[in-house]
This record gives sequence, C-alpha cells and structure tokens, in this order.
Amino acid sequence: KAGVTQTPRYLIKTRGQQVTLSCSPISGHRSVSWYQQTPGQGLQFLFEYFSETQRNKGNFPGRFSGRQFSNSRSEMNVSTLELGDSALYLCASNRASGPPGELFFGEGSRLTVL
Amino acid sequence: DQQVKQNSPSLSVQEGRISILNCDYTNSMFDYFLWYKKYPAEGPTFLISISSIKDKNEDGRFTVFLNKSAKHLSLHIVPSQPGDSAVYFCAASAISGNTDKLIFGTGTRLQVFP
Repeated sequence: KAGVTQTPRYLIKTRGQQVTLSCSPISGHRSVSWYQQTPGQGLQFLFEYFSETQRNKGNFPGRFSGRQFSNSRSEMNVSTLELGDSALYLCASNRASGPPGELFFGEGSRLTVL
Repeated sequence: DQQVKQNSPSLSVQEGRISILNCDYTNSMFDYFLWYKKYPAEGPTFLISISSIKDKNEDGRFTVFLNKSAKHLSLHIVPSQPGDSAVYFCAASAISGNTDKLIFGTGTRLQVFP
C-alpha cells in the first residue's frame, strides 16, 4: 500500500514568488493535514481538510492557503514568499477508523526561499 | 505560546539502558497525547499514544506515562537500541473537537551509542 506522496521533494524559490505543493494521501484516507517544520519550532499546524472542506486552520497568515480535491489529494499554496517561509512542509493523512491523532506523514517538501 | 514543550533538545544514552524523554503541556483541554519518531529525510511516524483517562500505556519496549496534575508526560524506552536514534516529538490533541489538529513540541534528539 503506497504511503503519503508529496511533490516536489525539494524546491528553491526567491522572495516574492509563490509556490504550490502537492500531497496524495494513502488510498482511502479522507483527512489531510499540513504542517510546517522549522529548526527550533517543531511541527506547526497549518490546516486540515476532510472531504474537500477545511476543518481546521492554524495561526498562519493568509498567504498560506490550501485545498482538497474530490479524490482527497490536497495542495497548499504560499504566495509572496518570505525568507522565513523556508521550511520542511509535511503532509499527513488519517484513516477515519484509526486511533485519534495517528497521522501518516509523507517525506515532506523542503522549500528554500532565497 | 508553546503549549507543548520538550525542554531537552538532545539526549544521549548507552545501548541497553533506559531512555526517558519528557514533555510538558499547558492546555488543560488536551485529552490525547502521542509520541512520534522522525528519522532524517523521512516523515514522522506514529509511535505510541495515551488517552487522558489513563496514566500509562505500554507497547513493547515503549511506555508512555501521563501525570495530568503536573501536565507532564514521558516516554520510556527500555532497553534502548542504536536504531532508536532519532528525533522524538511529543504531540497533544483535543479529540473532543473531532479534528486531527495536533500541537507538537520542538522535539528531542535521542542518540543511542554502543
């Protein structure tokens, strides 16, 4: 069974540009969450989607947005990139029948903003 | 405001001995706690969890203890093995909110040496 797939794995952008990251959850998983990991800050919750609806949102500026498609695949977008947006962006999916909080993470998309 | 804190950024333990990783939280609404393990270049993987109605949960070499009055939990690994060397994240959730939003600590890097 394929795991959570994130693309691209690595990317470099410059300040002011925008970026779109993609996430394909494990087949049958309908919940997708996004987290940002930076050194010293741990993993910070960005947003969560379930059945194409945003169910929860973290404390990030409006430059960070996301969406989920009918096949549960999800994308997140960051506009007007800043140097501080350099981070590992992790996507996770969850099976509805599993223990609460048991997330299956992808390997992440490492974004570098120059 | 860091609601979940891991005050030890690193821990070094000899193979065969016990590893104890600690975590403190501030939000009394949290009712479910989890530990994730992360190897370099991989996404975090779920390790063990505990509900607030329990004070201990055991799974093989891994045991999580919860002290609600102190708002403290710990992960014990006995015996420690070199393959346990990784970054360990503590996470908390308010599952009553029907969400997969997890609040993570900043992580503790465990090194198990021979």
